Amino acid sequence: TQLLEQSPQFLSIQEGENLTVYCNSSSVFSSLQWYRQEPGEGPVLLVTVVTGGEVKKLKRLTFQFGDARKDSSLHITAAQPGDTGLYLCAGATSNDYKLSFGAGTTVTVRA
Amino acid sequence: NAGVTQTPKFRILKIGQSMTLQCTQDMNHNYMYWYRQDPGMGLKLIYYSVGAGITDKGEVPNGYNVSRSTTEDFPLRLELAAPSQTSVYFCASSPSAGQGNTIYFGEGSWLTVV
Repeated sequence: TQLLEQSPQFLSIQEGENLTVYCNSSSVFSSLQWYRQEPGEGPVLLVTVVTGGEVKKLKRLTFQFGDARKDSSLHITAAQPGDTGLYLCAGATSNDYKLSFGAGTTVTVRA
Repeated sequence: NAGVTQTPKFRILKIGQSMTLQCTQDMNHNYMYWYRQDPGMGLKLIYYSVGAGITDKGEVPNGYNVSRSTTEDFPLRLELAAPSQTSVYFCASSPSAGQGNTIYFGEGSWLTVV
């Protein structure tokens, strides 16, 4: 069983549309990270959130950490083909170096 | 900028063979990790190291071994390859632990055991 559940597993949208990816758990996390992975490459860190209720923006990407620090969401506004990739959330349940990863959401943005 | 470098990129092994996945980082990071990634399963931690001479098991260590004789290198050894070890392997490193810690990943090694 996954400590972090991501939904949906796959998402295919048209360029210009918005999308939201969810990351949920029954555990409380001291920090939660979002990574993007492109085919043939390793994951690359997008953002880290550490405070319950925190919202961070990275250009067209908005990341939110739930108030209870058990869940997070990634919202992309006006998606572009360059946003295509596998989005992974990862959380640390204590202040250490062992992250637990979700299974990922594969996002495809069609031109 | 090299970052985290893994070799080989692709490898096919026969059941029972042994091999070593090499990993080196040039960022002087204390922490290093090996993950495997299977379709629909995310990344699972195999082994990790908090510094030269120190290693510990992650979630899925069975069938693997590691060593950390230097800060830069963290090789992963498969002693008796099994089909269940067919996967994509990622080496990673980080400068520290805790909140806000950034983990840097290599490009991955695709391993098939037949």
